[in-house]
Amino acid sequence: DQQVKQNSPSLSVQEGRISILNCDYTNSMFDYFLWYKKYPAEGPTFLISISSIKDKNEDGRFTVFLNKSAKHLSLHIVPSQPGDSAVYFCAARGNAGNMLTFGGGTRLMVKP
Amino acid sequence: GAVVSQHPSWVICKSGTSVKIECRSLDFQATTMFWYRQFPKQSLMLMATSNEGSKATYEQGVEKDKFLINHASLTLSTLTVTSAHPEDSSFYICSASGTTANYGYTFGSGTRLTVV
Repeated sequence: DQQVKQNSPSLSVQEGRISILNCDYTNSMFDYFLWYKKYPAEGPTFLISISSIKDKNEDGRFTVFLNKSAKHLSLHIVPSQPGDSAVYFCAARGNAGNMLTFGGGTRLMVKP
Repeated sequence: GAVVSQHPSWVICKSGTSVKIECRSLDFQATTMFWYRQFPKQSLMLMATSNEGSKATYEQGVEKDKFLINHASLTLSTLTVTSAHPEDSSFYICSASGTTANYGYTFGSGTRLTVV
């Protein structure tokens, strides 16, 4: 049972435009959501997080939106840069423990 | 910031041998370590959670006798893949929790294991 899903395996965006990566979840007990960037053969790098009591968190070019009623969150990157090309994972933390559940990842390609 | 050192970064071993992967928190005390496994083009799957000085808690379907986890100190956790087989070939990543940096989850750089 996949509790965290990223339905788009890949996304291609032109440099300077907005990248929108989506994530859906099924467990209403998740209390924190995190986005990670990952390059091949490397560990994930933390990007941004959001608490379930908020609907938006912004950090520079990265903004995460949370729609609790829809159990949906999205990561916006604007403007997109070629260096943003990587695999992005969303992850959720259940309030019954501190383990993370990861989505399947979305490969973002930003074209110059 | 918080740093987690994981090594080796890659290892090739013969089928039937055992491989040990180390994960160290360099500048903080890791009260909890998580071990993940990632198959090509797939997500990170949690294998087990370990707290310092306690036995690890394994996720369903993960053989605890095959994947031995030791978290003997607040800065070191090890994962030993025993009697490795080709199907154990994968990318293994640790994550340490114990500081507020990185929202509490700092990942190692991963270990690519290839069993031949």
